[in-house]
Amino acid sequence: KAGVTQTPRYLIKTRGQQVTLSCSPISGHRSVSWYQQTPGQGLQFLFEYFSETQRNKGNFPGRFSGRQFSNSRSEMNVSTLELGDSALYLCASSLGSGEDGSPLHFGNGTRLTVT
Amino acid sequence: AQSVTQLGSHVSVSEGALVLLRCNYSSSVPPYLFWYVQYPNQGLQLLLKYTTGATLVKGINGFEAEFKKSETSFHLTKPSAHMSDAAEYFCAVSGAGRRALTFGSGTRLQVQP
Repeated sequence: KAGVTQTPRYLIKTRGQQVTLSCSPISGHRSVSWYQQTPGQGLQFLFEYFSETQRNKGNFPGRFSGRQFSNSRSEMNVSTLELGDSALYLCASSLGSGEDGSPLHFGNGTRLTVT
Repeated sequence: AQSVTQLGSHVSVSEGALVLLRCNYSSSVPPYLFWYVQYPNQGLQLLLKYTTGATLVKGINGFEAEFKKSETSFHLTKPSAHMSDAAEYFCAVSGAGRRALTFGSGTRLQVQP
């Protein structure tokens, strides 16, 4: 079974631009979560989608948004990029939700650098 | 609210020595607990998870963790470290109405030859 696939692996953007990151979950997984990883803040939860609906959202500004398609693939978008948005963005998929103890399966991430 | 504390941001052991990575959690109800490992330039890989039942959980690559409710701890151990174990390890908690995983700050394990 193929794992979680994130594209692209690396991105360099300029302040003020916007960016879209893509994630394909493991086949059969309907839940997709996004995390931001930085050296200073560690792993922080962005949002979770299940069957095209956002079920949970972390404490990030509205510049960060996401969506999920009917095939469970997900995208996240960051608008008006700031230097502080430079991070590794990790996507994870699971069969269920955190409430039932379903583990997350992570992709290798997209490393975003904002200059 | 749930939280996870990992004691020691860096741990260094010799090859063949015992590995002990500490994790304490706070949760008002029994949680789901996980250990993940992250190798450079990669995502997180699940090592093991605790849901309910046996307090000693065995994971991949020879790692295991013991759930101690009285101490609210879920420490990760491996009897004999291997060079390939060098990575960053994250403890995480979920459950009790909170869908998202809450991660600890991570412990970087260094294995000396």
